[in-house]
Amino acid sequence: DAKTTQPNSMESNEEEPVHLPCNHSTISGTDYIHWYRQLPSQGPEYVIHGLTSNVNNRMASLAIAEDRKSSTLILHRATLRDAAVYYCILRDVGNQGGKLIFGQGTELSVKP
Amino acid sequence: KAGVTQTPRYLIKTRGQQVTLSCSPISGHRSVSWYQQTPGQGLQFLFEYFSETQRNKGNFPGRFSGRQFSNSRSEMNVSTLELGDSALYLCASRGAATYNEQFFGPGTRLTVL
Repeated sequence: DAKTTQPNSMESNEEEPVHLPCNHSTISGTDYIHWYRQLPSQGPEYVIHGLTSNVNNRMASLAIAEDRKSSTLILHRATLRDAAVYYCILRDVGNQGGKLIFGQGTELSVKP
Repeated sequence: KAGVTQTPRYLIKTRGQQVTLSCSPISGHRSVSWYQQTPGQGLQFLFEYFSETQRNKGNFPGRFSGRQFSNSRSEMNVSTLELGDSALYLCASRGAATYNEQFFGPGTRLTVL
């Protein structure tokens, strides 16, 4: 499975946008980019995923570089509740199984 | 719709004992995956069950095993516990309609003394 690289930690101010980067230079053409987050004392939760085009949902936006070697998770207005560890994960489209390979993730802190 | 539930939430065992953890997936979900989370190794995939069959397995010793029942509930068992097995054990379920999204439970915190 291809590897992802994320900064260990990031800080944000409440109500400001947050851009969480992820590098995946060895991504293959059939890898989806998934993002999960883990709030303190909880299990991870799905945030968003995409293949080539930018994606939006109620939680966040995912911007994917044209060469797909990097992506950015965008939280449009950070709240205190968004403080969590964010994981960027690659998952082959042919992978029918539920196996996810988590890296170390980015710990996001949000200041009031 | 109820989420993924795991029991017990906390467990303390001693070295050499064995332990069984339980996971009830979201109703209708047939896939259940198990993960171990430790401060040193992070989140690591243990195994996945689908329709009572193990479909995928991570790189863990044979002391870690699991099974799935016909109602999709799953159990994982760790025999001959070691101190290093102290971790948060998470299970996640997935349904056909939400193929790309896994729903995680709150986890079972296992402490081995």
